[in-house]
Amino acid sequence: EVLLVQSAAEVKKTGESLMISCKGSGYTFDTYWIGWVRQMPGKGLEWMGMIFPGDSGTRYNPSFQGRVTMSVDKSTTTASLQWGSLQATDTARYFCARKYGSGFDYWGQGTLLTVSS
Amino acid sequence: DIQLTQSPSFLSASVGDRVTITCRASEDISTYLAWYQQKPGKAPKLLISAASTLQSGVSSRFSGSGSGTQFTLTINTLQPEDFATYYCQQLILHPFTFGLGTNLEI
Repeated sequence: EVLLVQSAAEVKKTGESLMISCKGSGYTFDTYWIGWVRQMPGKGLEWMGMIFPGDSGTRYNPSFQGRVTMSVDKSTTTASLQWGSLQATDTARYFCARKYGSGFDYWGQGTLLTVSS
Repeated sequence: DIQLTQSPSFLSASVGDRVTITCRASEDISTYLAWYQQKPGKAPKLLISAASTLQSGVSSRFSGSGSGTQFTLTINTLQPEDFATYYCQQLILHPFTFGLGTNLEI
């Protein structure tokens, strides 16, 4: 069974750093892109970018480039999303998802991030 | 970036109805379009990929069609569990943009 399990909810202060994770199992982790999607409170889905675990190649949405860093650890089949300095506007739920053909077929449960001053 | 315009934004329907949601792309995306269903507090669920390919395990009441710039998602014989928000996404050109969503309400 394909599963993507994300790390628990976080409450952080502005200016702090953070890494959230997404652990894949039940499939060959190296061979599928992992995408990240942001959903701000009460809003729609925003595609942030994706990473290919096989070679750590990345494609960032320009709207998020420079604000977040995507990485993978093949040894633990885990993808990560990192912020160097959080802002209140980063408050959102973040989803990881596996790309398969023309769609993202398996999704993590989401990590809720709350950032306050 | 490719813009996806979904209509309507809100749709009120009843159990047993047939509904159609439209997604229009700002440029030709061939059939590189996916449809997702999202319920409150849950992750999106892939319904349709490549514009018209029904995902395994998804009810045959859902169907997708279209190519180029015009796409539709049709839901036949609405069931209570179908009331949710629906999004389209293009996957031909980065960034892989989403439509703003259609909120299907009872």
